[in-house]
Amino acid sequence: EIVVAQSPLSLPVTPGEPASISCRSSRSLLHSNGFNYLEWFLQRPGQSPQLLIYLASHRASGVPDRFSGSGSGTDFTLNISRVEADDVGVYYCMQVLQTPFTFGPGTKVDIQ
Amino acid sequence: QVQLVESGGGVIPPGRSLTVSCVASGFNFRKYGMHWVRQAPGKGLEWVAVIWYDGIDKYYADSVKGRFTVSRDNSKNTVYLHMNSLRVEDTAVYYCARVESGIDVWGQGTTVTVSS
Repeated sequence: EIVVAQSPLSLPVTPGEPASISCRSSRSLLHSNGFNYLEWFLQRPGQSPQLLIYLASHRASGVPDRFSGSGSGTDFTLNISRVEADDVGVYYCMQVLQTPFTFGPGTKVDIQ
Repeated sequence: QVQLVESGGGVIPPGRSLTVSCVASGFNFRKYGMHWVRQAPGKGLEWVAVIWYDGIDKYYADSVKGRFTVSRDNSKNTVYLHMNSLRVEDTAVYYCARVESGIDVWGQGTTVTVSS
């Protein structure tokens, strides 16, 4: 099983400032087709998860361009260029290269 | 609009069986793979199972393998999760979700509570 870790687990943010979350997998998520099978989700309080990024760096439909994903192999990053109040919640990365698919533990983002 | 609606959750004693359902609308269901993901109270997300578009390929988390079975009826736009030998630790909100470019559409979840 591929183990996925995230850091930090808690992230106080200031509106208007940038924020960054790291995700690390125990094995490379780079497929032979050149894509990294890593997704990012945001779960706002009381809501279902929402897809932000797929294939490590592709922004999902309707996701603001403040959100960007980067990285390859085993190390990935989700960046928020300017945090807004609506961005609070728990962020999860998930590897979808190989079953069993696995989520990271989540990073709780709140306004400081 | 594109929508997934889960149902069938409830309170059930340990060792019993339960089936939860997810009805899809607003898209061509038979072309998409479908996941089940769960979230225990106050905990993170846990992937449970996936069934690909044709219903032939299915994969499971180790924690449910041999106890849970995922199936689908493309004529009813519905995916099912049959849960046997339920344990207290299976208590969670169960979400179904669509696979397209990423896991891009999620239902609102149905709550399963395993308790005597």
